[in-house]
Amino acid sequence: GIQVEQSPPDLILQEGANSTLRCNFSDSVNNLQWFHQNPWGQLINLFYIPSGTKQNGRLSATTVATERYSLLYISSSQTTDSGVYFCAVVQADNTGNQFYFGTGTSLTVIP
Amino acid sequence: DSGVTQTPKHLITATGQRVTLRCSPRSGDLSVYWYQQSLDQGLQFLIQYYNGEERAKGNILERFSAQQFPDLHSELNLSSLELGDSALYFCASSVVAQGGGYTFGSGTRLTVV
Repeated sequence: GIQVEQSPPDLILQEGANSTLRCNFSDSVNNLQWFHQNPWGQLINLFYIPSGTKQNGRLSATTVATERYSLLYISSSQTTDSGVYFCAVVQADNTGNQFYFGTGTSLTVIP
Repeated sequence: DSGVTQTPKHLITATGQRVTLRCSPRSGDLSVYWYQQSLDQGLQFLIQYYNGEERAKGNILERFSAQQFPDLHSELNLSSLELGDSALYFCASSVVAQGGGYTFGSGTRLTVV
């Protein structure tokens, strides 16, 4: 299967700081998504971004499919951004879609 | 409220027992996905259904099974439960079979004692 590596594993930021989270994957993929799991355990879909760049408020993501990585940018971080950010990739094969998750980046934003 | 409903929210059961987790997708979504999140294995994809048919299969144990009914709700059946099956089980739904974004339910926390 595909290896999905996220870095850094842990990140502590002062409120208002910017950050970049990285997701590397070992093979070509059909789909890539970023999720946020808040401290209460709820999973929230942030971006569906198999390639290119997308922005949603203070968050943006860029995937360079040819180089097998994706970046999630968080600007002007807030305490509500705390939680774990997961990258997930999907590879379609003749048996269907296979999903692979990274181990996440744990972000703590301190006031 | 994400629109994806999972019940029950919490479940405590003994080893060897069988449980059923239920997921109602967001209105209009045809695809349902099941995931397991445990401390030692992290997030894992279990299985996907699209409009009643199995679409993809991940790391789902033989003791586990799932189905999607004509009204598009889905059930995940876990049998011969072991301590290691204790985890958060998430359901997600999407409109399409592949691609696009999807929406997660709030999860069912299963504790096997």
